[in-house]
Amino acid sequence: AAGVIQSPRHLIKEKRETATLKCYPIPRHDTVYWYQQGPGQDPQFLISFYEKMQSDKGSIPDRFSAQQFSDYHSELNMSSLELGDSALYFCASSSGLYNEQFFGPGTRLTVL
Amino acid sequence: AQSVAQPEDQVNVAEGNPLTVKCTYSVSGNPYLFWYVQYPNRGLQFLLKYITGDNLVKGSYGFEAEFNKSQTSFHLKKPSALVSDSALYFCAVRDGPTGGGNKLTFGTGTQLKVEL
Repeated sequence: AAGVIQSPRHLIKEKRETATLKCYPIPRHDTVYWYQQGPGQDPQFLISFYEKMQSDKGSIPDRFSAQQFSDYHSELNMSSLELGDSALYFCASSSGLYNEQFFGPGTRLTVL
Repeated sequence: AQSVAQPEDQVNVAEGNPLTVKCTYSVSGNPYLFWYVQYPNRGLQFLLKYITGDNLVKGSYGFEAEFNKSQTSFHLKKPSALVSDSALYFCAVRDGPTGGGNKLTFGTGTQLKVEL
């Protein structure tokens, strides 16, 4: 069965650089979520989109922005990167707002 | 605000023995409850969910969970543990439709170690 696809899988950036993470949901899933998991921590919700509109917002820094496109894929844009942004970034998708979320393999971002 | 507590950082069990990973929750409305498993350097894998209905929920790989409203608990169980079950387990909660929002709030995770 098709799963959530995230790219790139690994990304290394310098401080103050920008990064763009991409997420391709499971086919026919209309809702996308972004989570950040720091080392040894639980995933923290950043933001979600349903039918291309923002549906919920969590602890996402102002330096980050995201959107969902007409083909339902989503991109997380991160600017002025800081050392503390180093983490595993997960995208998840679901069919509708209240069904289980299926997670992608994550993008490991390292900021040097 | 919704929250989840996993009181045990680590659970050790012998292969073939039953296992229990504990979770308690707090939500303002009706809870939607989930268990996910994470293997090293991998994404979160969905195990099971409780939305409504039977308090005993059966999921993937022989896992099940029991919803207890009076104790606000949703403990994960398996009758006979396997070494391959060793992983990090996360309990997660979200408010139902009346609670607003659709984000998952995760517990801090419980490392399960199954030994021969």
